[in-house]
This record gives sequence, structure tokens and C-alpha cells, in this order.
Amino acid sequence: DQQVKQNSPSLSVQEGRISILNCDYTNSMFDYFLWYKKYPAEGPTFLISISSIKDKNEDGRFTVFLNKSAKHLSLHIVPSQPGDSAVYFCAASVRTGANNLFFGTGTRLTVIP
Amino acid sequence: DAGITQSPRHKVTETGTPVTLRCHQTENHRYMYWYRQDPGHGLRLIHYSYGVKDTDKGEVSDGYSVSRSKTEDFLLTLESATSSQTSVYFCAIRSGTGDFAEAFFGQGTRLTVV
Repeated sequence: DQQVKQNSPSLSVQEGRISILNCDYTNSMFDYFLWYKKYPAEGPTFLISISSIKDKNEDGRFTVFLNKSAKHLSLHIVPSQPGDSAVYFCAASVRTGANNLFFGTGTRLTVIP
Repeated sequence: DAGITQSPRHKVTETGTPVTLRCHQTENHRYMYWYRQDPGHGLRLIHYSYGVKDTDKGEVSDGYSVSRSKTEDFLLTLESATSSQTSVYFCAIRSGTGDFAEAFFGQGTRLTVV
């Protein structure tokens, strides 16, 4: 049973516009959320994270929003650049023990020049 | 880049043969993980380790075993490979210090079982 879901397999955005990637989770015990970016033939790389005590975290062009009541988070990229084209994975964890990450299925973002 | 090396990077093997994948880290991190990535499933945890000789199962551990005899090495073994184990395998490490630390991933091993 998938505890973290990314319902949009793909997204295309024009360069300079905003990209919004969405993620839903079912396990209310999750208290830490991360976004990873993956290029072909490479491992995932950490992008940004948010703790459940916050509802927003910003890092440059990347902002993650968390809505705990809806069990929903989103990643905003503004402005989008062609180099942002990649697969984005949402991940969730409980901050105890080994902090195992549970991943969504990924969203392939294509930024069109 | 985090010091993680996976070997081999690519492997083709026959059904029923044993296969061992190696993950080597130079960061002295406590936690190490093995994930597999498959279309439609994202990354799923196979096994993880929280110290030397301390390992536990993840979501999809059937058909896999692991060993960690040294801090820097985490081995994943397919005792008798099956076609359903064709996948891309990623190793990850995490320091375990502080409130929370993100995991860093290796480059991946593409395994094909024919």
C-alpha cells in the first residue's frame, strides 16, 4: 500500500513560469518530508525538506508547502529553468529510529525553453 | 558529493544465480539503506542498517539478504536471482546526528536478470 502518492506522472511547464508538484500521504505519523530530484542514470539528490511543525520552507527558487490537515505537500519552483527538467520524488519519514524514507512514484518535470 | 560508491554499476545475470551488490561509503555514516527503483513504484526500501552487524528489513525484503561487517560497507545479496528482481538498485547513507539528516544516494546499479 503506497503511503506516499504523487498522482501526476508528468508535468510540462514553460521556462520562467511556476512549476507546482504535488504529493499526498496517508500515514499521520510522518513528521518530516523531503523532495529529491533525479536525473537519468544518476542517484536521487536531496532538494529541500520540511518538518511537520512548519507549513512552509523556502530555499532560493524552491519552496515546499505542507498542509497537515489535508496530508498534502507541494513543491513550487519559480522561475522554472530547463535545467530543472528531471524526475522529482516526494518522500516522508518518521523522526525516530532509522528514519526510513517512504517515497512517492515520482513526477517527471519538463521545462520547455 | 557524498562519498558513496556502488559496484558494479551494471550487471546482467541469469535466473537462479547468486548476485552481490556492494555499497561503500567514506563518510563514516551510521545508517545505510538499499532501495530498488521500478516504474510505477518509485523507490522502495529493501533493507537497512543502523550499525555494524545491525540490519533490519524494509518494505520489499523477500529474496534479499544484507550484511554489514564494517561501517563503510553494506552488501546486498540476491541468493537466487529472479526476473522480478530486475531493477535499479540504490544505496543511501545518512549520518544519524542531529534532529534529522537527509539521506544521500549512490549512482545506482542496474541489474538485469535474464
